Amino acid sequence: DAGVTQSPTHLIKTRGQHVTLRCSPISGHKSVSWYQQVLGQGPQFIFQYYEKEERGRGNFPDRFSARQFPNYSSELNVNALLLGDSALYLCASSRLGGGEKLFFGSGTQLSVL
Amino acid sequence: SQKIEQNSEALNIQEGKTATLTCNYTNYSPAYLQWYRQDPGRGPVFLLLIRENEKEKRKERLKVTFDTTLKQSLFHITASQPADSATYLCAPSNDSGGSQGNLIFGKGTKLSVKP
Repeated sequence: DAGVTQSPTHLIKTRGQHVTLRCSPISGHKSVSWYQQVLGQGPQFIFQYYEKEERGRGNFPDRFSARQFPNYSSELNVNALLLGDSALYLCASSRLGGGEKLFFGSGTQLSVL
Repeated sequence: SQKIEQNSEALNIQEGKTATLTCNYTNYSPAYLQWYRQDPGRGPVFLLLIRENEKEKRKERLKVTFDTTLKQSLFHITASQPADSATYLCAPSNDSGGSQGNLIFGKGTKLSVKP
């Protein structure tokens, strides 16, 4: 079975632009979470979706938004990009919404110039 | 606020020795704790999950302990190998509300095993 897939793998944007990152969970997984990882830090939670409903939101500004589609894939959108948004964006999936391990994709490396 | 501290940013050991990584947490009471391995440029990979009613858990050369009184977890790799070199992340979590895609991670400890 394929693991969690994310696209694109790398992205370069300029300040003020917007970006859409995509994630396909493992088949059968209904929960998708998004994390931001800045170099030298652990992943920081942005959003979780389960059965297409938002289940959690981290401490990120409203410029960050996400959604989950009927096939359980997900998009993360970031508007009005800032230099500080440069990071590795990770998507993780799990079968259920709680109490179990997460399966991570390899991430999208976003550079904002 | 909830805080997670992993003992050191970097740990260097000799091949064959036991690596011991520490995870301390404050201001919450996790029902379970997970450990992940992360290689450069890749996403974290799950290693072990230990629940609050479990003192110790083992998987091959890995051992995790969970002391809810000390608010600490220890992660051991016995007979370490250069292939064990990576960053190890701990993530204590509560089991409530079904929002368990929301893990809070420590900064990680970068382990280097020298031949």
